[in-house]
Amino acid sequence: QQQVRQSPQSLTVWEGETAILNCSYENSAFDYFPWYQQFPGEGPALLISILSVSDKKEDGRFTIFFNKREKKLSLHIADSQPGDSATYFCAASAYNQGKLIFGQGTKLSIKP
Amino acid sequence: GPKVLQIPSHQIIDMGQMVTLNCDPVSNHLYFYWYKQILGQQMEFLVNFYNGKVMEKSKLFKDQFSVERPDGSYFTLKIQPTALEDSAVYFCASSLGGGAETLYFGSGTRLTVL
Repeated sequence: QQQVRQSPQSLTVWEGETAILNCSYENSAFDYFPWYQQFPGEGPALLISILSVSDKKEDGRFTIFFNKREKKLSLHIADSQPGDSATYFCAASAYNQGKLIFGQGTKLSIKP
Repeated sequence: GPKVLQIPSHQIIDMGQMVTLNCDPVSNHLYFYWYKQILGQQMEFLVNFYNGKVMEKSKLFKDQFSVERPDGSYFTLKIQPTALEDSAVYFCASSLGGGAETLYFGSGTRLTVL
């Protein structure tokens, strides 16, 4: 049972464009949604996160849009740069549990 | 930022042998985790650990797996005996709290079971 799903599996955009990565979840108890960025040979690192009480979170070029009713969220990366090329994981947890459930990841490639 | 160190970065062993993966978590963190990743794909939760005890473990955390953190030293994952399907990258993580807290991951240990 896949509790957190991501799409697309891979995405290629041109430098300067906005990349949109999608995520959906099944468990209504999930209320914390971090996005992690992973480069080859490294561990994932927190990029940005949102709590379910919010519908939008911005941090520089990165924005999360959250729709609680539809159990969907998306990560928008504006003005994409070649250095943004990485795998992005959507994750979820219930507030009182530290365990994160990860999606399958989206491999993002930015063409210069 | 805070660093989680994992030792070794690579480990090759024969099937049936025992292996211990070591993790040096962030110094003031209280919660510890192991995740398994195959071929750069999904991060699969194995186990989390707090106050000297396993809090929760997944179906992937087989009976051959064990974790401990003796006397506040390394947080370890031991597999005894190993199987071919244990080949993967194992990531250790730690966090300050157990709720909506940032998990800090190490760079992983690539385990190859022959």
